[in-house]
Amino acid sequence: AQSVAQPEDQVNVAEGNPLTVKCTYSVSGNPYLFWYVQYPNRGLQFLLKYITGDNLVKGSYGFEAEFNKSQTSFHLKKPSALVSDSALYFCAVRDPATGGFKTIFGAGTRLFVKA
Amino acid sequence: NAGVTQTPKFQVLKTGQSMTLQCAQDMNHNSMYWYRQDPGMGLRLIYYSASEGTTDKGEVPNGYNVSRLNKREFSLRLESAAPSQTSVYFCASSGLTSGRGISTDTQYFGPGTRLTVL
Repeated sequence: AQSVAQPEDQVNVAEGNPLTVKCTYSVSGNPYLFWYVQYPNRGLQFLLKYITGDNLVKGSYGFEAEFNKSQTSFHLKKPSALVSDSALYFCAVRDPATGGFKTIFGAGTRLFVKA
Repeated sequence: NAGVTQTPKFQVLKTGQSMTLQCAQDMNHNSMYWYRQDPGMGLRLIYYSASEGTTDKGEVPNGYNVSRLNKREFSLRLESAAPSQTSVYFCASSGLTSGRGISTDTQYFGPGTRLTVL
Protein backbone atom coordinates (compact mmCIF):
# COMPACT_ATOMS: atom_id res chain seq x y z
CA ALA A 1 0.00 0.00 0.00
CA GLN A 2 1.17 3.50 -0.69
CA SER A 3 1.99 5.85 2.16
CA VAL A 4 3.59 9.20 2.84
CA ALA A 5 5.44 10.36 5.94
CA GLN A 6 6.28 13.88 6.98
CA PRO A 7 8.45 13.33 10.03
CA GLU A 8 8.29 16.90 11.38
CA ASP A 9 5.09 18.43 12.72
CA GLN A 10 6.69 21.88 12.62
CA VAL A 11 9.76 23.49 11.10
CA ASN A 12 11.06 26.81 12.38
CA VAL A 13 13.48 28.94 10.35
CA ALA A 14 14.63 32.53 10.36
CA GLU A 15 13.79 34.75 7.42
CA GLY A 16 16.54 34.65 4.83
CA ASN A 17 17.77 31.20 5.87
CA PRO A 18 17.32 28.11 3.72
CA LEU A 19 14.42 25.83 4.58
CA THR A 20 13.78 22.12 4.13
CA VAL A 21 10.52 20.28 4.71
CA LYS A 22 10.99 16.52 4.66
CA CYS A 23 8.90 13.87 2.97
CA THR A 24 9.39 10.14 2.47
CA TYR A 25 7.10 7.80 0.64
CA SER A 26 6.35 4.16 0.03
CA VAL A 27 4.82 2.85 -3.18
CA SER A 28 5.15 -0.35 -5.13
CA GLY A 29 5.94 1.28 -8.46
CA ASN A 30 7.23 4.59 -9.73
CA PRO A 31 5.53 7.37 -7.81
CA TYR A 32 3.95 10.60 -8.83
CA LEU A 33 4.87 13.09 -6.08
CA PHE A 34 3.34 16.44 -5.19
CA TRP A 35 3.75 19.31 -2.76
CA TYR A 36 0.81 21.49 -1.76
CA VAL A 37 0.60 24.49 0.56
CA GLN A 38 -2.33 25.55 2.71
CA TYR A 39 -2.76 29.04 4.13
CA PRO A 40 -5.15 29.60 7.06
CA ASN A 41 -8.80 28.98 6.23
CA ARG A 42 -7.99 28.21 2.60
CA GLY A 43 -7.93 25.15 0.39
CA LEU A 44 -4.69 23.53 -0.72
CA GLN A 45 -2.66 25.14 -3.49
CA PHE A 46 -0.32 23.25 -5.80
CA LEU A 47 3.41 24.02 -5.49
CA LEU A 48 5.19 21.44 -7.64
CA LYS A 49 5.18 17.85 -8.81
CA TYR A 50 7.47 15.08 -9.97
CA ILE A 51 6.16 12.68 -12.59
CA THR A 52 9.28 11.69 -14.51
CA GLY A 53 12.51 13.18 -15.81
CA ASP A 54 14.88 15.51 -13.97
CA ASN A 55 15.08 14.69 -10.27
CA LEU A 56 15.17 18.37 -9.31
CA VAL A 57 11.80 19.97 -9.74
CA LYS A 58 11.20 23.71 -9.55
CA GLY A 59 7.84 25.10 -8.56
CA SER A 60 5.95 28.18 -7.49
CA TYR A 61 7.24 30.93 -5.16
CA GLY A 62 10.88 29.82 -5.47
CA PHE A 63 10.34 26.35 -4.03
CA GLU A 64 12.04 23.24 -5.36
CA ALA A 65 12.11 19.57 -4.47
CA GLU A 66 14.47 16.73 -5.20
CA PHE A 67 13.28 13.24 -5.99
CA ASN A 68 15.62 10.65 -4.49
CA LYS A 69 14.59 7.16 -5.50
CA SER A 70 17.16 5.31 -3.39
CA GLN A 71 16.10 7.12 -0.24
CA THR A 72 12.42 7.27 -1.27
CA SER A 73 12.37 10.94 -0.41
CA PHE A 74 10.97 14.12 -1.93
CA HIS A 75 12.10 16.97 0.32
CA LEU A 76 10.85 20.50 -0.28
CA LYS A 77 13.46 23.25 -0.24
CA LYS A 78 13.86 26.97 -0.65
CA PRO A 79 17.19 28.84 -0.58
CA SER A 80 15.90 31.88 1.34
CA ALA A 81 12.75 31.76 3.46
CA LEU A 82 10.21 34.56 3.66
CA VAL A 83 7.81 35.30 6.50
CA SER A 84 5.02 34.89 3.95
CA ASP A 85 6.10 31.26 3.44
CA SER A 86 4.65 30.44 6.86
CA ALA A 87 1.89 27.91 6.18
CA LEU A 88 0.99 24.22 6.31
CA TYR A 89 2.75 22.06 3.72
CA PHE A 90 1.55 18.70 2.46
CA CYS A 91 3.45 16.07 0.56
CA ALA A 92 1.34 13.70 -1.52
CA VAL A 93 1.91 10.58 -3.58
CA ARG A 94 -0.02 8.82 -6.29
CA ASP A 95 0.89 5.28 -7.29
CA PRO A 96 -0.09 4.77 -10.92
CA ALA A 97 0.40 1.02 -10.57
CA THR A 98 -2.35 0.55 -8.01
CA GLY A 99 -4.75 3.43 -8.24
CA GLY A 100 -4.26 6.24 -10.65
CA PHE A 101 -6.82 8.55 -9.09
CA LYS A 102 -6.09 7.95 -5.43
CA THR A 103 -3.68 10.46 -3.93
CA ILE A 104 -2.35 9.86 -0.43
CA PHE A 105 -1.46 12.94 1.60
CA GLY A 106 0.99 13.22 4.44
CA ALA A 107 -0.13 14.62 7.79
CA GLY A 108 1.35 18.01 6.99
CA THR A 109 4.25 20.10 8.30
CA ARG A 110 3.71 23.56 9.69
CA LEU A 111 6.41 25.96 8.57
CA PHE A 112 7.02 29.00 10.74
CA VAL A 113 9.37 31.67 9.40
CA LYS A 114 10.46 34.24 11.95
CA ALA A 115 11.36 37.77 10.91
CA ASN B 1 -13.01 31.61 -13.70
CA ALA B 2 -14.10 30.83 -10.15
CA GLY B 3 -12.17 27.51 -10.07
CA VAL B 4 -13.68 25.14 -7.50
CA THR B 5 -16.55 26.45 -5.38
CA GLN B 6 -18.13 24.83 -2.34
CA THR B 7 -21.29 25.52 -0.40
CA PRO B 8 -21.91 26.02 2.43
CA LYS B 9 -18.77 27.42 4.07
CA PHE B 10 -19.91 26.49 7.58
CA GLN B 11 -22.54 24.12 8.92
CA VAL B 12 -23.61 22.87 12.32
CA LEU B 13 -25.71 19.71 12.50
CA LYS B 14 -27.22 17.65 15.26
CA THR B 15 -26.50 13.94 15.40
CA GLY B 16 -28.77 12.10 12.96
CA GLN B 17 -29.48 15.04 10.69
CA SER B 18 -28.70 14.86 7.00
CA MET B 19 -27.14 17.35 4.64
CA THR B 20 -25.55 17.68 1.22
CA LEU B 21 -22.31 19.51 0.50
CA GLN B 22 -22.20 21.01 -2.95
CA CYS B 23 -19.16 21.37 -5.20
CA ALA B 24 -18.80 22.82 -8.68
CA GLN B 25 -15.83 23.46 -10.98
CA ASP B 26 -15.63 25.56 -14.10
CA MET B 27 -12.31 24.24 -15.47
CA ASN B 28 -13.85 21.47 -17.60
CA HIS B 29 -12.03 18.88 -15.50
CA ASN B 30 -12.95 15.23 -15.84
CA SER B 31 -12.11 14.12 -12.30
CA MET B 32 -13.48 15.32 -8.99
CA TYR B 33 -12.76 14.36 -5.38
CA TRP B 34 -14.03 14.75 -1.84
CA TYR B 35 -11.58 14.83 1.08
CA ARG B 36 -11.86 15.39 4.77
CA GLN B 37 -9.14 17.11 6.78
CA ASP B 38 -8.63 16.33 10.44
CA PRO B 39 -5.85 17.67 12.68
CA GLY B 40 -2.67 15.62 12.45
CA MET B 41 -4.10 13.33 9.77
CA GLY B 42 -3.70 15.28 6.58
CA LEU B 43 -6.33 14.83 3.91
CA ARG B 44 -8.17 11.55 3.48
CA LEU B 45 -10.05 10.68 0.33
CA ILE B 46 -13.73 9.95 0.86
CA TYR B 47 -14.96 9.41 -2.71
CA TYR B 48 -13.84 10.34 -6.15
CA SER B 49 -15.28 10.51 -9.64
CA ALA B 50 -12.76 9.75 -12.36
CA SER B 51 -15.15 10.97 -15.05
CA GLU B 52 -18.75 11.97 -15.47
CA GLY B 53 -21.00 9.03 -14.71
CA THR B 54 -18.56 7.15 -12.45
CA THR B 55 -17.88 7.27 -8.72
CA ASP B 56 -15.58 5.18 -6.52
CA LYS B 57 -14.80 4.81 -2.85
CA GLY B 58 -11.68 6.28 -1.32
CA GLU B 59 -10.08 5.59 2.04
CA VAL B 60 -12.96 6.60 4.32
CA PRO B 61 -16.31 6.25 2.50
CA ASN B 62 -18.44 4.95 5.37
CA GLY B 63 -21.31 7.27 6.27
CA TYR B 64 -21.14 9.19 3.00
CA ASN B 65 -22.69 9.05 -0.45
CA VAL B 66 -21.85 11.03 -3.57
CA SER B 67 -23.48 12.08 -6.80
CA ARG B 68 -21.72 13.25 -9.94
CA LEU B 69 -24.59 15.32 -11.21
CA ASN B 70 -22.84 16.39 -14.41
CA LYS B 71 -19.30 17.22 -15.45
CA ARG B 72 -19.27 20.37 -13.32
CA GLU B 73 -20.90 19.23 -10.10
CA PHE B 74 -20.05 16.61 -7.48
CA SER B 75 -22.04 16.49 -4.25
CA LEU B 76 -21.36 14.75 -0.95
CA ARG B 77 -24.25 13.61 1.25
CA LEU B 78 -24.28 12.71 4.91
CA GLU B 79 -27.44 10.68 5.48
CA SER B 80 -27.24 10.52 9.29
CA ALA B 81 -24.54 12.75 10.69
CA ALA B 82 -22.36 11.57 13.56
CA PRO B 83 -19.93 13.54 15.77
CA SER B 84 -17.06 11.58 14.14
CA GLN B 85 -17.90 13.39 10.90
CA THR B 86 -16.96 16.75 12.40
CA SER B 87 -14.23 17.89 10.02
CA VAL B 88 -13.28 20.26 7.24
CA TYR B 89 -14.38 18.95 3.86
CA PHE B 90 -12.58 19.82 0.65
CA CYS B 91 -13.66 19.24 -2.90
CA ALA B 92 -11.03 19.08 -5.63
CA SER B 93 -10.84 18.56 -9.36
CA SER B 94 -8.15 17.55 -11.82
CA GLY B 95 -7.81 17.61 -15.57
CA LEU B 96 -5.23 15.79 -17.63
CA THR B 97 -5.31 12.05 -17.85
CA SER B 98 -2.57 9.96 -19.42
CA GLY B 99 -3.24 7.34 -22.03
CA ARG B 100 -3.27 4.69 -19.32
CA GLY B 101 -6.18 6.35 -17.60
CA ILE B 102 -3.99 7.77 -14.85
CA SER B 103 -4.45 11.31 -13.70
CA THR B 104 -1.10 13.07 -13.68
CA ASP B 105 -2.31 16.59 -13.33
CA THR B 106 -2.52 18.56 -10.16
CA GLN B 107 -5.63 18.86 -8.10
CA TYR B 108 -7.37 22.20 -7.62
CA PHE B 109 -9.10 22.61 -4.29
CA GLY B 110 -12.13 24.51 -3.14
CA PRO B 111 -12.10 26.71 -0.02
CA GLY B 112 -13.61 24.01 2.19
CA THR B 113 -16.70 23.45 4.33
CA ARG B 114 -16.27 23.42 8.09
CA LEU B 115 -18.81 20.96 9.51
CA THR B 116 -19.58 20.46 13.18
CA VAL B 117 -21.85 17.64 14.33
CA LEU B 118 -23.14 17.99 17.87
